[in-house]
Amino acid sequence: GQSLEQPSEVTAVEGAIVQINCTYQTSGFYGLSWYQQHDGGAPTFLSYNALDGLEETGRFSSFLSRSDSYGYLLLQELQMKDSASYFCAVIYGQNFVFGPGTRLSVLP
Amino acid sequence: DGGITQSPKYLFRKEGQNVTLSCEQNLNHDAMYWYRQDPGQGLRLIYYSQIVNDFQKGDIAEGYSVSREKKESFPLTVTSAQKNPTAFYLCASGLNTIYFGEGSWLTVV
Repeated sequence: GQSLEQPSEVTAVEGAIVQINCTYQTSGFYGLSWYQQHDGGAPTFLSYNALDGLEETGRFSSFLSRSDSYGYLLLQELQMKDSASYFCAVIYGQNFVFGPGTRLSVLP
Repeated sequence: DGGITQSPKYLFRKEGQNVTLSCEQNLNHDAMYWYRQDPGQGLRLIYYSQIVNDFQKGDIAEGYSVSREKKESFPLTVTSAQKNPTAFYLCASGLNTIYFGEGSWLTVV
């Protein structure tokens, strides 16, 4: 089976750095993806890790460690518009399994 | 522009009625997916299709049906057997990463 865990909520202030963790209990998956979803909108793709290590895309970075069954999304220089829900997703076989999501609130 | 188009954006269903949500993509993706999202919750897989004329049930397929007659199209029918259909429905396509349409809000009246 596939199971992913994320913190339900994270709060940070503008300009800060925040890390959203994702742990999984899945074997044989192909990669870990991250998505952002604002209230009332559809999820948008942020980052994908096919291999262990760090992937950097502007203010956002994502990390994967298969040996630790763990990944994280790092958001730097937080802005108010970053307030949203963030989902990790495991590509498992022919399927995508999503974590429960982390709601990030950025305070002024 | 390439992308995934869902319609309608908002849909109201009467009790006992079947409704169909449209999903069209021009990204040339083989794989397409339907997810359901309830308010404040995560994404749950309804159905997915890896190739034309083939589709598989996801975690919550009961009360839903799909077809995949064309590569570009993957419509979802919410049948009267789905007792609590009010939700946000998301269509997606892709391979190593998937991309979502804008979503369809379905409400039972």
